[in-house]
Amino acid sequence: GAVVSQHPSRVICKSGTSVKIECRSLDFQATTMFWYRQFPKQSLMLMATSNEGSKATYEQGVEKDKFLINHASLTLSTLTVTSAHPEDSSFYICSAPTGLGSYEQYFGPGTRLTVT
Amino acid sequence: QKEVEQDPGPLSVPEGAIVSLNCTYSNSAFQYFMWYRQYSRKGPELLMYTYSSGNKEDGRFTAQVDKSSKYISLFIRDSQPSDSATYLCAMSEAAGNKLTFGGGTRVLVKP
Repeated sequence: GAVVSQHPSRVICKSGTSVKIECRSLDFQATTMFWYRQFPKQSLMLMATSNEGSKATYEQGVEKDKFLINHASLTLSTLTVTSAHPEDSSFYICSAPTGLGSYEQYFGPGTRLTVT
Repeated sequence: QKEVEQDPGPLSVPEGAIVSLNCTYSNSAFQYFMWYRQYSRKGPELLMYTYSSGNKEDGRFTAQVDKSSKYISLFIRDSQPSDSATYLCAMSEAAGNKLTFGGGTRVLVKP
């Protein structure tokens, strides 16, 4: 299957700082990427849809000023958690469909964020 | 009521048994259906994907979709301890669109 990478895999930061998470499609181009959040023993919750060259679309209840998304190229989307607080601690995962009209979506390995 | 319902389990089976998983959904606009396997602290791994109603087989995995009943299933034959994981169903209205997930079923295959 297609490969999606994320960096970093794990990050610990202090409350009030900002953290950037990268999501890359390694062997295909992705005009769209999705960002999810997952709490322990729960399913994935969609946060936003990242669109290459345009603004991201956020799900209801997700603060766009807190979770900044930039999709600057066809292989890279970034999620920046601004002014992080302990309640932002979670597992963040990105996914991407493999092409126009494709319904296969592949996920990155996830980034575990801990805010102290 | 959630858009996609999935029994959380845990579902415990002996090695070699058939694992039967299913999801029900309420949105009749869903056309694309996927099953993912997720190990603890890892990203979901795509197992099967199907379009509309019908069956699809790939190795030990069989996926079934019954759109008239809004019901999808995944069967795992000859289960192995390495199949122990959480299985997530996911679906979307259009190709490449956002996925709506079930809550996941935790499966334990005992040697």
